[in-house]
Amino acid sequence: DAGVIQSPRHEVTEMGQEVTLRCKPISGHNSLFWYRQTMMRGLELLIYFNNNVPIDDSGMPEDRFSAKMPNASFSTLKIQPSEPRDSAVYFCASRIDALETQYFGPGTRLLVL
Amino acid sequence: AQSVTQPDIHITVSEGASLELRCNYSYGATPYLFWYVQSPGQGLQLLLKYFSGDTLVQGIKGFEAEFKRSQSSFNLRKPSVHWSDAAEYFCAVGSSGGSNYKLTFGKGTLLTVNP
Repeated sequence: DAGVIQSPRHEVTEMGQEVTLRCKPISGHNSLFWYRQTMMRGLELLIYFNNNVPIDDSGMPEDRFSAKMPNASFSTLKIQPSEPRDSAVYFCASRIDALETQYFGPGTRLLVL
Repeated sequence: AQSVTQPDIHITVSEGASLELRCNYSYGATPYLFWYVQSPGQGLQLLLKYFSGDTLVQGIKGFEAEFKRSQSSFNLRKPSVHWSDAAEYFCAVGSSGGSNYKLTFGKGTLLTVNP
């Protein structure tokens, strides 16, 4: 039974470049979350989708960040242009409904030089 | 606003010793409470959760946690720690209200296990 799938697992890029992170939620789950984990701030919710619709993007740091969910089995988080302070581990999580557990993917470790 | 405090940043125990990781939450209504574990380079795995009912909940890998409303706590315990338990542990609180998608995580407790 496949869990949440994220790609790439590691990404190294230079400042100013565009970065796209990808997520495939667990089949049948209708909620998807993007989190960012840093030493300083811990785990922060960036954006929450329900039935492919963005419900809460209040955690998105600034306009350089954007997220899409074109269908129930795929989501992207894009950073354009990237900056060194965006270096972090980005997690995707999915959930089946409001009372259920969020299941996390393995994360994408992003380093912006 | 909901919040979670994990007072211990780093704990070291010997293999076979008992373990208790502390978690205090702030939330106005009945919270949903979770413990997750993160091994190095891995995602977060759910250990256990509390939604309602029995305040002592059992999880995977021999862990348990007790919800104490009077103390706003949800401490994680294990009677005998194994070397493979070395990881970072996160407590989280979820809302039972309108914003029931939102999980607020503590900063985590790093567990080191000595042989």
